[in-house]
Amino acid sequence: SAVISQKPSRDICQRGTSLTIQCQVDSQVTMMFWYRQQPGQSLTLIATANQGSEATYESGFVIDKFPISRPNLTFSTLTVSNMSPEDSSIYLCSVSGTTYNEQFFGPGTRLTVL
Amino acid sequence: GNSVTQMEGPVTLSEEAFLTINCTYTATGYPSLFWYVQYPGEGLQLLLKATKADDKGSNKGFEATYRKETTSFHLEKGSVQVSDSAVYFCALSENTGGFKTIFGAGTRLFVKA
Repeated sequence: SAVISQKPSRDICQRGTSLTIQCQVDSQVTMMFWYRQQPGQSLTLIATANQGSEATYESGFVIDKFPISRPNLTFSTLTVSNMSPEDSSIYLCSVSGTTYNEQFFGPGTRLTVL
Repeated sequence: GNSVTQMEGPVTLSEEAFLTINCTYTATGYPSLFWYVQYPGEGLQLLLKATKADDKGSNKGFEATYRKETTSFHLEKGSVQVSDSAVYFCALSENTGGFKTIFGAGTRLFVKA
């Protein structure tokens, strides 16, 4: 299994600002994903981060609001832009196992927007 | 489209009680099925998985059997402990142009000493 770290672990931000979340994996992986987990809710996939090409966004999520970078096979960033209180959530990075079935998650970034 | 439905929580049990959390799914093909667990303040961890019909996944005393005829993957444990208190997510993954995972809503379990 992969070991995944995220930074920051939590942050409190002001409305209208942006926050970049980093995800680091201890081994090279093909597929990385970003999820949002709103308080008391399940996980919603934001996008798949593709190495060397643009991220693939799910319905309801756009690149201008959630730009993603994937410069190599062990690292990705998610930026939450022009934040509003509705963006207050836990943001989770994950990677797929070698069989592309199971997923391994980072510890999450807890974001509060005031 | 694909979906996962699991029983609503919270579920409150006494220590050593029997646990069942129901999960049913809809899928167009032959998905892999998973249970993930999220302990307070942590990210999700894979608890167990089953990749084809009649497979039984097991880990830490938890079990779930992939039932294609009833499209179900119920989670069971014979004797829960206080340390099992967490949120449990049923999920499926199917390769339909990408290995996306779809999660159920989650079931919160409280175990009392």
